[in-house]
Amino acid sequence: DIQMTQSPSSLSASVGDSVTITCQASQDVGKYLNWYQQKPGKAPRLMIHDTSDLEAGVPSRISGGGSGTVFTFTISSLQPEDTATYYCQQYDNLPVTFGGGTKVEIK
Amino acid sequence: EVQLVQSGGGLVQPGGSLRLSCVASGFIFNKYAMTWVRQAPGKGLEWVSDISASGGTANYADSVKGRFTISRDNSRDTLYLQMNSLRADDTAVYYCAKVALVHYLVRYYFQDWGQGALVTVSS
Repeated sequence: DIQMTQSPSSLSASVGDSVTITCQASQDVGKYLNWYQQKPGKAPRLMIHDTSDLEAGVPSRISGGGSGTVFTFTISSLQPEDTATYYCQQYDNLPVTFGGGTKVEIK
Repeated sequence: EVQLVQSGGGLVQPGGSLRLSCVASGFIFNKYAMTWVRQAPGKGLEWVSDISASGGTANYADSVKGRFTISRDNSRDTLYLQMNSLRADDTAVYYCAKVALVHYLVRYYFQDWGQGALVTVSS
């Protein structure tokens, strides 16, 4: 199975800051990398699929990039509603696998 | 509006069985593969199983293979997860989710999720 490693595991930043989460795959996953946001007690919400395609309703301050084994998820101007845990997920090679998560908090 | 409404969670003793259900609405259920993903308390997401649109093909994580069975009833727009020989490490919130379909190709990203069902395995 492909291992997905996220960093950092948590971060704290101020409103308006730019924050970036990195996801590293143990082998090439092409562009088949997705990002989810999860708030406490709620189901995950798909934010980005296929590296950089934003889901409908996702604010444009959020973006994704990368290819192969290293991917990024960026919030360009952090807002209080972005407080959540974020997970990457690959599906180039089944079974799909998720990263361990990155908890984003407001300082 | 897509809705996935789950039921069937609860407390069960080690070695026991439980069946989860996920009733779908707002889309043509028999066109979409479906999946189960779980999350142990305070932990990350773990894929459990998936099933093709027809129900003819199912896949399982090694951790549940031989103990869990995924199925679907397309006449009832319902997805199931039969869980047998439950262990303490199966304790988790279980989510059903709809697998994306893009130009007739299955794409394993999950746009719609159920509300989750807590399964607690404890004596």
